[in-house]
Amino acid sequence: DAKTTQPPSMDCAEGRAANLPCNHSTISGNEYVYWYRQIHSQGPQYIIHGLKNNETNEMASLIITEDRKSSTLILPHATLRDTAVYYCIVNSGYALNFGKGTSLLVTP
Amino acid sequence: EAQVTQNPRYLITVTGKKLTVTCSQNMNHEYMSWYRQDPGLGLRQIYYSMNVEVTDKGDVPEGYKVSRKEKRNFPLILESPSPNQTSLYFCASSLAGTGFFGYTFGSGTRLTVV
Repeated sequence: DAKTTQPPSMDCAEGRAANLPCNHSTISGNEYVYWYRQIHSQGPQYIIHGLKNNETNEMASLIITEDRKSSTLILPHATLRDTAVYYCIVNSGYALNFGKGTSLLVTP
Repeated sequence: EAQVTQNPRYLITVTGKKLTVTCSQNMNHEYMSWYRQDPGLGLRQIYYSMNVEVTDKGDVPEGYKVSRKEKRNFPLILESPSPNQTSLYFCASSLAGTGFFGYTFGSGTRLTVV
């Protein structure tokens, strides 16, 4: 599975959009981009995934560049409850390689 | 409510005393998996199962056993626990292991082996 690179930490003001970047320059054609988050020591929570097209659900939007070498997770109106570690995962098989993720701190 | 249920949430045990951590899902998912999470090492896969009676090793299987006798349950067995198995454990399930489907994780089991 392709490796991903994320910034270790980011801050965002409550109510503003949080844009979390992820680089996956070695992604191959059949690999999906997944985003999960983990709040404190709770179980990771699935957020969204995509292959080529941009995706949106009730939690977030996923923007994937045309060459698929990077993506951005957008939380449109961040709340304090969105403070968590966010993991970008590129995967085509069974195991999820979580890496270190981005620790997002949403401040009042 | 669709969920993955792990028990117990917290467990302190002594070296060498066999234990089982249970995992059950109510979503009729085919795929189930166990992960452990350690500071600085992130989440690592221990074992996974693609369906009943089908299990395979993940990245860190040593010292663990699993079984999948029925679709909903996937217990993690530590035959002779050691202190290096002190960790936070998560069970996960998915409709299928690849492509479209997100994984649902349990709330975790914090195990301490003394």
